[in-house]
Amino acid sequence: DVKVTQSSRYLVKRTGEKVFLECVQDMDHENMFWYRQDPGLGLRLIYFSYDVKMKEKGDIPEGYSVSREKKERFSLILESASTNQTSMYLCASSPSAGALSPLHFGNGTRLTVT
Amino acid sequence: AQTVTQSQPEMSVQEAETVTLSCTYDTSESNYYLFWYKQPPSRQMILVIRQEAYKQQNATENRFSVNFQKAAKSFSLKISDSQLGDTAMYFCAFMKIDGGSNYKLTFGKGTLLTVNP
Repeated sequence: DVKVTQSSRYLVKRTGEKVFLECVQDMDHENMFWYRQDPGLGLRLIYFSYDVKMKEKGDIPEGYSVSREKKERFSLILESASTNQTSMYLCASSPSAGALSPLHFGNGTRLTVT
Repeated sequence: AQTVTQSQPEMSVQEAETVTLSCTYDTSESNYYLFWYKQPPSRQMILVIRQEAYKQQNATENRFSVNFQKAAKSFSLKISDSQLGDTAMYFCAFMKIDGGSNYKLTFGKGTLLTVNP
């Protein structure tokens, strides 16, 4: 079974802090994604990566950056956390075959910025 | 840009009954995939069912089936013989196929389904 592991289940940070959310997958998937989930808004794509050191902006990249130095790891970075970034963050991965294999999600990180 | 609309924020159903969750989407693409994902209270999102747009036959997975109406851009999910474990948030999602590695999903806002004993 594919495993996508997010390093923290809950995280509390202060406004202005630099925050790292880590995601690791163990199935050699090319594609990795960061989504943000908010009540009434569903999942919105922040950034994705289809290869090491490659990244592309999703629908809501403002205030975020990402890093993919190794194939298995995809980090989401909040350079200066703000209260409107309080949310559930979901990481996902998929092989390059895309829809032939579904997205595999992690358990999510609930981030609270105070 | 693609949009996915789930018009039912919440629904409930009695155990063993059938329920249908609605989803419509807007796209100018002709080749794409559609998905239903389930997010139970444990939080991990899992795939329920998927449909290739070029296939006319509706996908089925055990108690889960879809009604795919391409012309109407409608993709509803039917859950038969509902079970308590079906209680979850359900998301409809769209993926266009652009020939590259650009396999990103666009999700609807979700429908919270509660199965009552």
